[in-house]
Amino acid sequence: EPEVTQTPSHQVTQMGQEVILRCVPISNHLYFYWYRQILGQKVEFLVSFYNNEISEKSEIFDDQFSVERPDGSNFTLKIRSTKLEDSAMYFCASSEGSSETQYFGPGTRLLVL
Amino acid sequence: QQQVKQSPQSLIVQKGGISIINCAYENTAFDYFPWYQQFPGKGPALLIAIRPDVSEKKEGRFTISFNKSAKQFSLHIMDSQPGDSATYFCAASFRNEKLTFGTGTRLTIIP
Repeated sequence: EPEVTQTPSHQVTQMGQEVILRCVPISNHLYFYWYRQILGQKVEFLVSFYNNEISEKSEIFDDQFSVERPDGSNFTLKIRSTKLEDSAMYFCASSEGSSETQYFGPGTRLLVL
Repeated sequence: QQQVKQSPQSLIVQKGGISIINCAYENTAFDYFPWYQQFPGKGPALLIAIRPDVSEKKEGRFTISFNKSAKQFSLHIMDSQPGDSATYFCAASFRNEKLTFGTGTRLTIIP
């Protein structure tokens, strides 16, 4: 069964450093999303991406964040200058269409020290 | 108006019993209501979903009940099993675009 994959599974970084989180969506999916989950809290929407551009972003997704689909398979989330409060689990999701089920990857646990 | 409220925060049910988790929403534009199951260290996985044109949807032991006028929906797990122990999130969206999640319910099934 096709699945969304994410790398790395864990990332530890120093405050102020840049991190890139990588995702490989399901191959025939066209819509891509990033969500985050701070430990013990609910899953929060960050950004949606379709046709090589951002469809929608939340107020969390400020200028420190960017997304990119550098090739036909990867979808990345970059945090330019990490802050302590960026520590969370980051989930990538993809869907075949805008009204279709979103499938989540296993997540990247980011710890900012 | 984008909030989805979920209760209870945690739930302990005996094996074979019925687990019930409730959610309420405010935004009447929401038209898609999925439930996700999450095991520790894993991403959320879609369990079952409903659209507001029906009041109930059943898949195996899992049933969603939907009350459009009250803006509430609930997940019922019949014959709960230890393998059902997980965190459950309700969510809502408009046209299945960005999902707005509830705060989660940690379900524990005891023997």
